[in-house]
Amino acid sequence: AQKITQTQPGMFVQEKEAVTLDCTYDTSDQSYGLFWYKQPSSGEMIFLIYQGSYDEQNATEGRYSLNFQKARKSANLVISASQLGDSAMYFCAMREGGGSQGNLIFGKGTKLSVKP
Amino acid sequence: EAQVTQNPRYLITVTGKKLTVTCSQNMNHEYMSWYRQDPGLGLRQIYYSMNVEVTDKGDVPEGYKVSRKEKRNFPLILESPSPNQTSLYFCASSFLRADTEAFFGQGTRLTVV
Repeated sequence: AQKITQTQPGMFVQEKEAVTLDCTYDTSDQSYGLFWYKQPSSGEMIFLIYQGSYDEQNATEGRYSLNFQKARKSANLVISASQLGDSAMYFCAMREGGGSQGNLIFGKGTKLSVKP
Repeated sequence: EAQVTQNPRYLITVTGKKLTVTCSQNMNHEYMSWYRQDPGLGLRQIYYSMNVEVTDKGDVPEGYKVSRKEKRNFPLILESPSPNQTSLYFCASSFLRADTEAFFGQGTRLTVV
């Protein structure tokens, strides 16, 4: 079974608008971490934001925030005030804290295109 | 500078010719992992290592070998490459904790003809 599901293969957003990229996860561990990475067309993987399973508040990093809904097992990335440079692939990932502690698993990604 | 270094960045090879993609990190990370990226399939894990001499299969290990003789190095070996191993490969490393992000190499674009 897939542990990380990203249901949006591609999305478009108008410049300066906000956009939400969906991510759901599956784990039986109580301790885990959720991550988002950005991959621009140049190919490098850039870490954006982290959310811990025990964190009570949603993580924020500049224009990025993570909408964490633990009961629904979702960790959606919200990008506010989209910029043309936000056009990229975005990957959601999870690390579990139990038996496979620390192993990092990724979803299939969402390709975001920002329109001027 | 803290980094994960992969070599080569680009490689074109022929079917059956053994090759090694090197990965080295200078951050004293316990965890290292190899992924392949294919369109529509995301990042699929090939092998990972929790520490020296400890390696485990990921989701797509067939056709690949790894070794972890030293903490800093985690080479990916293709003993007999085939065209279906044409892909973009990433090495990553991190501390072995659920709350730490992984650092990635620049990627290796491999073409097997």
